[in-house]
Amino acid sequence: DAGVIQSPRHEVTEMGQEVTLRCKPISGHNSLFWYRQTMMRGLELLIYFNNNVPIDDSGMPEDRFSAKMPNASFSTLKIQPSEPRDSAVYFCASSIGGRGGNEQFFGPGTRLTVL
Amino acid sequence: GQSLEQPSEVTAVEGAIVQINCTYQTSGFYGLSWYQQHDGGAPTFLSYNALDGLEETGRFSSFLSRSDSYGYLLLQELQMKDSASYFCAVRDGSSASKIIFGSGTRLSIRP
Repeated sequence: DAGVIQSPRHEVTEMGQEVTLRCKPISGHNSLFWYRQTMMRGLELLIYFNNNVPIDDSGMPEDRFSAKMPNASFSTLKIQPSEPRDSAVYFCASSIGGRGGNEQFFGPGTRLTVL
Repeated sequence: GQSLEQPSEVTAVEGAIVQINCTYQTSGFYGLSWYQQHDGGAPTFLSYNALDGLEETGRFSSFLSRSDSYGYLLLQELQMKDSASYFCAVRDGSSASKIIFGSGTRLSIRP
């Protein structure tokens, strides 16, 4: 199993540009999570999906952030327009949802730098 | 809502034993998990406790006391490679899938 796959691994962009982060969860996992990690704020849950449906997006900081999951094997997190304060490591994680799913499997993360 | 408290930093000596504590407040409790994250890496799952008591996995053990809303991660025979951040996490009371993470404890190991 390849694990959770994220791309790109590193992204450097300029303020105002659109950024799209991609995630492929582990096959058979029906829950997908997007996290943001910074030194100041730690690991924050942005949004999560169950069976491709967004369940809780209360962690999405602003309307500039949006996430989609068009099918069970792909999700995107988009920031438009990006700002320097969006610089962080963005992790995607997947799990077997429901009360039996106790372990989340994290991807390697995308390190985003907005200049 | 949910909240977790754990020390921000712990320092220990190679070969020793260290305990990282975690207290939590939840609206519903479905278990306490621990994750390890090395610098530059992703969090990886270590253990899960749903019931009171000690769970042992090699050099790592995790303990839970539901009546005290308290748990800890015990690392024995510390190795330099154990230097990392350790996060406790609880399942959200309103959702079976959502996990809330603590702020993390940075473990530094001296030779």
